Amino acid sequence: QKEVEQNSGPLSVPEGAIASLNCTYSDRGSQSFFWYRQYSGKSPELIMSIYSNGDKEDGRFTAQLNKASQYVSLLIRDSQPSDSATYLCAVMGDTGFQKLVFGTGTRLLVSP
Amino acid sequence: DGGITQSPKYLFRKEGQNVTLSCEQNLNHDAMYWYRQDPGQGLRLIYYSQIVNDFQKGDIAEGYSVSREKKESFPLTVTSAQKNPTAFYLCASSALPGRGPNQPQHFGDGTRLSIL
Repeated sequence: QKEVEQNSGPLSVPEGAIASLNCTYSDRGSQSFFWYRQYSGKSPELIMSIYSNGDKEDGRFTAQLNKASQYVSLLIRDSQPSDSATYLCAVMGDTGFQKLVFGTGTRLLVSP
Repeated sequence: DGGITQSPKYLFRKEGQNVTLSCEQNLNHDAMYWYRQDPGQGLRLIYYSQIVNDFQKGDIAEGYSVSREKKESFPLTVTSAQKNPTAFYLCASSALPGRGPNQPQHFGDGTRLSIL
């Protein structure tokens, strides 16, 4: 059973702080990793894709991947109250078919 | 604008009734997917399709059926055999990877289904 694990939270941070969201996965053959943001009652929205070990930055967001440790993280710099949402980690293997395995998400609360 | 359109936004099902959720995309994506989301749980894959006139069962296909007669459309029918249909249903699509990396899936706005 391929699994993706996330702490459900809530993770509470003050406005302007760095929020760090973590995800571990069980399938060592996983090749593609995605972070989605989901506001309450809404559908998931893609934030970041990462495929190689290391860091990938996009604006205030940085995704970090460590395949040896089977660990992927999302850093949000200068957190804003509008960042308050559930963040879903999703992992895709190398089977050829693009089946995404989702974690249950981490709820982030950014207080003004 | 390019995107994925799901309808209706809210749907109510009576006992013994089949209902169909619509999903249309104009992104020219080959692959389409249906997920179910329950409170406190991750997204679970119901069915997926990588090409017209072909589709495969996902992890929780029992009680559901799909068709893929057109590239743009992938409707999901929730049959009376699905005893616990109340959930948030999400349709997604993606380009196939070709020679590049796996492409991310993009989601429609979802349909909330409830039992009357």
